[in-house]
Amino acid sequence: GDSVTQMEGPVTLSEEACLTINCTYTATGYPSLFWYVQYPGEGLQLLLKATKADDKGSNKGFEATYRKETTSFHLEKGSVQVSDSAVYFCAAAGTASKLTFGTGTRLQVTL
Amino acid sequence: DVKVTQSSRYLVKRTGEKVFLECVQDMDHENMFWYRQDPGLGLRLIYFSYDVKMKEKGDIPEGYSVSREKKERFSLILESASTNQTSMYLCASSLWTGGGGNQPQHFGDGTRLSIL
Repeated sequence: GDSVTQMEGPVTLSEEACLTINCTYTATGYPSLFWYVQYPGEGLQLLLKATKADDKGSNKGFEATYRKETTSFHLEKGSVQVSDSAVYFCAAAGTASKLTFGTGTRLQVTL
Repeated sequence: DVKVTQSSRYLVKRTGEKVFLECVQDMDHENMFWYRQDPGLGLRLIYFSYDVKMKEKGDIPEGYSVSREKKERFSLILESASTNQTSMYLCASSLWTGGGGNQPQHFGDGTRLSIL
């Protein structure tokens, strides 16, 4: 079946540092890919998405590029802020509108 | 904006009780989903529904059932609650686009359920 693997956390960074959270997937065909963010005490919010190879999703300074060759969708941000502290989930769309999620990566940004 | 509302943020129940978790969405979405979220395990799909009165088992349906009598409402039922069902429960909805997976899911804020 489909699976999504993302780097384990927690990831601890100083403010203004660069962020990369790795995500790779295993799926039939070329699924749409998503990054979700979960702030403390809240549900998941869509951060960005890409629907086909070489697409780049971007939002709030975060970016991720759909790499078919490496089956990857790594999340990047050039300069993180304390307010970016959250748990980030990578997800791949499977059949029938279902999503397969990674286990989540906790990011903590300190001053 | 899509609004997915879960009836309770926190809930405490006792072992053996029948527990109902309610979810309502306001965007006329066909698809609705129930997940549970546990540390280190990410989100696991319990049940989902494509339309009124339709339901499909997800990855971990044991001990749960669902009800979808109206398009906007999707209920999760713990038939006889057990301590291993203590978890965060998340409801989501999405638009049906003919089977493709391009549409994102929209989530509620979650219900943290404790079974004592």
